[in-house]
Amino acid sequence: EADIYQTPRYLVIGTGKKITLECSQTMGHDKMYWYQQDPGMELHLIHYSYGVNSTEKGDLSSESTVSRIRTEHFPLTLESARPSHTSQYLCASSESRSEQYFGPGTRLTVT
Amino acid sequence: AQSVTQPDIHITVSEGASLELRCNYSYGATPYLFWYVQSPGQGLQLLLKYFSGDTLVQGIKGFEAEFKRSQSSFNLRKPSVHWSDAAEYFCAVVTSYDKVIFGPGTSLSVIP
Repeated sequence: EADIYQTPRYLVIGTGKKITLECSQTMGHDKMYWYQQDPGMELHLIHYSYGVNSTEKGDLSSESTVSRIRTEHFPLTLESARPSHTSQYLCASSESRSEQYFGPGTRLTVT
Repeated sequence: AQSVTQPDIHITVSEGASLELRCNYSYGATPYLFWYVQSPGQGLQLLLKYFSGDTLVQGIKGFEAEFKRSQSSFNLRKPSVHWSDAAEYFCAVVTSYDKVIFGPGTSLSVIP
């Protein structure tokens, strides 16, 4: 059973607030990813990690940052949320050249 | 440049009808190929994958896909669609450099 968790599932927050979206996986995968997706639209890779202490920016520029201190944990932080950050954020993990396992997503609304 | 295209943005089919969703990729070598499904407000779930061997692969929920190297295609099929199949479908490629490329998605609506 593939287990990857994201919290919170839904978040409504005011402009300027700092937020952290949590992502954890129990599969021991080295590779983890963050995607941003507007409803009904394509996935945009914003960050990825190939292991502990490894983080890279994805194809879509994002004001968010990530960290990878433990294999199982890959949090995403926005220092100052803005309405343009309103979107769904999907976390995924995988082994090398294999399928990705996705979390349920966090739907973020910035007012 | 490496890319994945899904020519159909939106498809509507009647329940019980057959379905084919198209996926084409641009990549020099043989990629690893995947189809995912996403229900509204959810993450993506793997339907099937192709790494090598038999070019017709079976997946979950009665889906299958056929890899055609000559056409650089990996089309998804289902002989009889159920109303619960209404969702967004994504084709994806993983290159030999472990880069993941998703297509833009095809939205499927099912008419009862």
